[in-house]
Amino acid sequence: NAGVTQTPKFQVLKTGQSMTLQCAQDMNHEYMSWYRQDPGMGLRLIHYSVGAGITDQGEVPNGYNVSRSTTEDFPLRLLSAAPSQTSVYFCASSSRLAHTYEQYFGPGTRLTVT
Amino acid sequence: AQTVTQSQPEMSVQEAETVTLSCTYDTSESDYYLFWYKQPPSRQMILVIRQEAYKQQNATENRFSVNFQKAAKSFSLKISDSQLGDAAMYFCAYRSAGGSARQLTFGSGTQLTVLP
Repeated sequence: NAGVTQTPKFQVLKTGQSMTLQCAQDMNHEYMSWYRQDPGMGLRLIHYSVGAGITDQGEVPNGYNVSRSTTEDFPLRLLSAAPSQTSVYFCASSSRLAHTYEQYFGPGTRLTVT
Repeated sequence: AQTVTQSQPEMSVQEAETVTLSCTYDTSESDYYLFWYKQPPSRQMILVIRQEAYKQQNATENRFSVNFQKAAKSFSLKISDSQLGDAAMYFCAYRSAGGSARQLTFGSGTQLTVLP
């Protein structure tokens, strides 16, 4: 049971380049989310999904796309990277079961856009 | 929208002493969950403790306990007998009990240093 995995761990992009951050979970969780962490601002929600085929925007969705074709995978796409997207990105998952509380986080991806 | 405020960007504590980290939140909801997460230098987010708003009793997990004041919308974390391994960034987080998803709203974090 690997939990939530993210690849890559580190990435450097040039302005205007595109890339996809990968996220996968093997716990059969329905809910998956992407957060970004910036200094002094905590974690902020980018996009989330409540199940395969269903996604929605969070607090800071601009510049990012997501899709959820399977329960296991929830990739985050940067269409045209900007320096403002330099951040640490976390993927998280949780179960829809009633009275479950914990979100399981991946190890994060540190992205630098130059 | 809910907001979570951590007014202490940095705190320090002597090893074996007790420290309290503050958190306040703003919500119009009556049913929700509150969490403290720990983030060590490895970046991994680790759940420390959780509190259900409908429970009056404060949650406790070993050396970690909370002081939950629902009317004041306050949720502080007390770490007793502090250890060097407690040094980390601590985040307070809020989650609505309703709705179809499980998103968290985080505070800006408190960096805790433990002095030997």
